[in-house]
Amino acid sequence: NAGVMQNPRHLVRRRGQEARLRCSPMKGHSHVYWYRQLPEEGLKFMVYLQKENIIDESGMPKERFSAEFPKEGPSILRIQQVVRGDSAAYFCASSPILLSGNQPQHFGDGTRLSIL
Amino acid sequence: KQEVTQIPAALSVPEGENLVLNCSFTDSAIYNLQWFRQDPGKGLTSLLLIQSSQREQTSGRLNASLDKSSGRSTLYIAASQPGDSATYLCAGLYNTDKLIFGTGTRLQVFP
Repeated sequence: NAGVMQNPRHLVRRRGQEARLRCSPMKGHSHVYWYRQLPEEGLKFMVYLQKENIIDESGMPKERFSAEFPKEGPSILRIQQVVRGDSAAYFCASSPILLSGNQPQHFGDGTRLSIL
Repeated sequence: KQEVTQIPAALSVPEGENLVLNCSFTDSAIYNLQWFRQDPGKGLTSLLLIQSSQREQTSGRLNASLDKSSGRSTLYIAASQPGDSATYLCAGLYNTDKLIFGTGTRLQVFP
């Protein structure tokens, strides 16, 4: 399967713990986007990364959240000291080049994060 | 502020009906408008992408239109089937990196 791979599919954490969500983009894609879907809400943009660079993090909470996309390996979304409000589905998308009018983003199946 | 709104929030129709889902956006400076399907517990499947210079796109029983001047897009589903039951999301692409999503229309097609 050459699609966007996210793991784990489901993640349970207790308040105060750390959550790490991984995303492997489609083969040949060097642009990664993270979105969050809160219960009963639409997807909200969080961050856009290229290899080793954060391009746009305007949707990311200023505290506890960080993202990286190293030269080798998957993109990581890290949430420190999780709280109940972090419970959501986190989706990753990728694209081969800078998006233009005819380039879709390809989405993974998401990670469902539950905070106890 | 860039906002995308979808109406109705939920829709239940009998099999065979033709139906229209509506999407409106406040900022007309979009690069494209995409329609997605989301099944429960699953990711997003891209259905149709309309570039800002286009008026509509068709795929099988689906037809999507785009009117930038009025800030509207519609998704038309012909001869609906129970397998079409899902949540349908529209999203506008801004600044070449940011998809702004609507909250979706939850569709149920019953036999």
